[in-house]
Amino acid sequence: AQSVTQLDSQVPVFEEAPVELRCNYSSSVSVYLFWYVQYPNQGLQLLLKYLSGSTLVESINGFEAEFNKSQTSFHLRKPSVHISDTAEYFCAVSGRGGSNYKLTFGKGTLLTVNP
Amino acid sequence: DAGVIQSPRHEVTEMGQEVTLRCKPISGHNSLFWYRQTMMRGLELLIYFNNNVPIDDSGMPEDRFSAKMPNASFSTLKIQPSEPRDSAVYFCASTQGTWQGYTFGSGTRLTVV
Repeated sequence: AQSVTQLDSQVPVFEEAPVELRCNYSSSVSVYLFWYVQYPNQGLQLLLKYLSGSTLVESINGFEAEFNKSQTSFHLRKPSVHISDTAEYFCAVSGRGGSNYKLTFGKGTLLTVNP
Repeated sequence: DAGVIQSPRHEVTEMGQEVTLRCKPISGHNSLFWYRQTMMRGLELLIYFNNNVPIDDSGMPEDRFSAKMPNASFSTLKIQPSEPRDSAVYFCASTQGTWQGYTFGSGTRLTVV
């Protein structure tokens, strides 16, 4: 079984500031890792994912996350945020292969970008 | 593809009434999931299906909840009788495999008064 801990429930920042949303996971097997974003009154959208290979993965809108196996972390970063990045962000983990169909989600981090 | 389609978007019902939520997954996706989201409990997995077969329903809160997937393109989540504590946003998601991540629908906001 897997579990996910998102260390901050809320992160307020000013526009154009950098941000890091923290995510730690636990698993007894190798994992896939994901970040989802949920804008108000919408469903969750996949932001980026780590499957294998390079430990640094990027999204099309400037977010990046780094898989750190030794620290069991997958923190999400953006060097300069926009008002439009205001949303809730969810980290998720899945075991690799076989019958591992389940994603386990963290409780979410609400990112609020202020002008 | 139109994505995962859920209906209705909003449902307001009186306590004791039956509520049916509907989901059409993405064509070709063989796994379907029902989640509930509340402020207090966050995202909770209720049940998931693989190839139309329920695999894990351990998240279904009680016997008032039931879910079916009669074919690859349709699933329902039924609450009977509904109670105010069932008020939440219910999401359906589908995938071909977890390496893809899930595609979520827009959700059904249920209010039981």
